[in-house]
Amino acid sequence: GENVEQHPSTLSVQEGDSAVIKCTYSDSASNYFPWYKQELGKRPQLIIDIRSNVGEKKDQRIAVTLNKTAKHFSLHITETQPEDSAVYFCAARWIQGGSEKLVFGKGTKLTVNP
Amino acid sequence: DTGVSQDPRHKITKRGQNVTFRCDPISEHNRLYWYRQTLGQGPEFLTYFQNEAQLEKSRLLSDRFSAERPKGSFSTLEIQRTEQGDSAMYLCASSISGGYAGELFFGEGSRLTVL
Repeated sequence: GENVEQHPSTLSVQEGDSAVIKCTYSDSASNYFPWYKQELGKRPQLIIDIRSNVGEKKDQRIAVTLNKTAKHFSLHITETQPEDSAVYFCAARWIQGGSEKLVFGKGTKLTVNP
Repeated sequence: DTGVSQDPRHKITKRGQNVTFRCDPISEHNRLYWYRQTLGQGPEFLTYFQNEAQLEKSRLLSDRFSAERPKGSFSTLEIQRTEQGDSAMYLCASSISGGYAGELFFGEGSRLTVL
């Protein structure tokens, strides 16, 4: 069945350092991979996404890479700031029959220490 | 605010009672999803509507859970005979189909506590 594995579950970095979160997915037909940020008590919000026709996408301090052969994708945050502290979720789009949905990883709690 | 709205935001109930949550998606979005999130976990898929048609329901969902989207606009999620294990945040999300669509817009969630 559909599955997304995410590592690490917790990550602590010093302000200014880089943070990397990795995910693997099970369905080779998945073609859309978003990353969501969820602050405590808030809704998940999209921060960046990548589609299967590209290998990398950047948006200021955030980048995502995709390796379709290995079925894994990663989130890279550079020059981390305390406001980056949150839980980050990766997801993969699963399409079957007439239905489609996002399948989420279990999340990574990122703490950026000042 | 033209985002996804959910009501109520918090619900405390006793075991065995029925509860109903409502979701109003972004108006032009034809796809609506319900997810459940427990502490320390990612959102877990429950069910999916395209317009008024329920196209998928999670195998993990018991018969006590039912969802509707009668006119293809708002949706309700009902849990009958609640159990303590139903305690969670219930998230609604909407999106639009076609083209490079894919982003889910989440509501703030309805937190259920079953005593």
